[in-house]
Amino acid sequence: AQRVTQPEKLLSVFKGAPVELKCNYSYSGSPELFWYVQYSRQRLQLLLRHISRESIKGFTADLNKGETSFHLKKPFAQEEDSAMYYCALSGAMGAQKLVFGQGTRLTINP
Amino acid sequence: ETGVTQSPTHLIKTRGQQVTLRCSSQSGHNTVSWYQQALGQGPQFIFQYYREEENGRGNFPPRFSGLQFPNYSSELNVNALELDDSALYLCASSLARGLAAIDTSTDTQYFGPGTRLTVL
Repeated sequence: AQRVTQPEKLLSVFKGAPVELKCNYSYSGSPELFWYVQYSRQRLQLLLRHISRESIKGFTADLNKGETSFHLKKPFAQEEDSAMYYCALSGAMGAQKLVFGQGTRLTINP
Repeated sequence: ETGVTQSPTHLIKTRGQQVTLRCSSQSGHNTVSWYQQALGQGPQFIFQYYREEENGRGNFPPRFSGLQFPNYSSELNVNALELDDSALYLCASSLARGLAAIDTSTDTQYFGPGTRLTVL
């Protein structure tokens, strides 16, 4: 079965501090992993995907197949990073059928 | 370029009724996926349509059905509504070259704003 676990529902850090949002997955094959973000009053949008290995808005995420993790990191948090973050996986059903975690609400305090 | 739109924004139904939700895909996209997002949860995949054919389904009963039209707009129909069907329903459109190929340059899903359904 495919499953994505985000252990923290809420995460609060101060501006300028490092941020790490945790994501663990369960999938027996080779998954594709994504991070989606939803800013206040905006729609869900793709932040980054592991296959492109990009850094978007200062965020990076490395796929660790040994630990089945895809944690999202940013070295210096900014207030505009406050949002809801979802980790998602696609696998057996195809690249465009996503399994989402329950999300982590990130709050950056000034 | 026009983004994904959904209608209505919100609606209220009673148990046992039927509902139709609509989604207009982003221009040029040929694939639409529907998700259900219960309060406090991540989106859950319902089904996907590719060129008017169902292309995969999640763990949802047959009373959840869909259509995709030649212009790639889509509908989600839910029959015999239950209280647990109350949720935000999201559609997402994308451009896929094929059913099996992973096209990293074109298969990003673009989400609509959602329809909030309340079942009383």
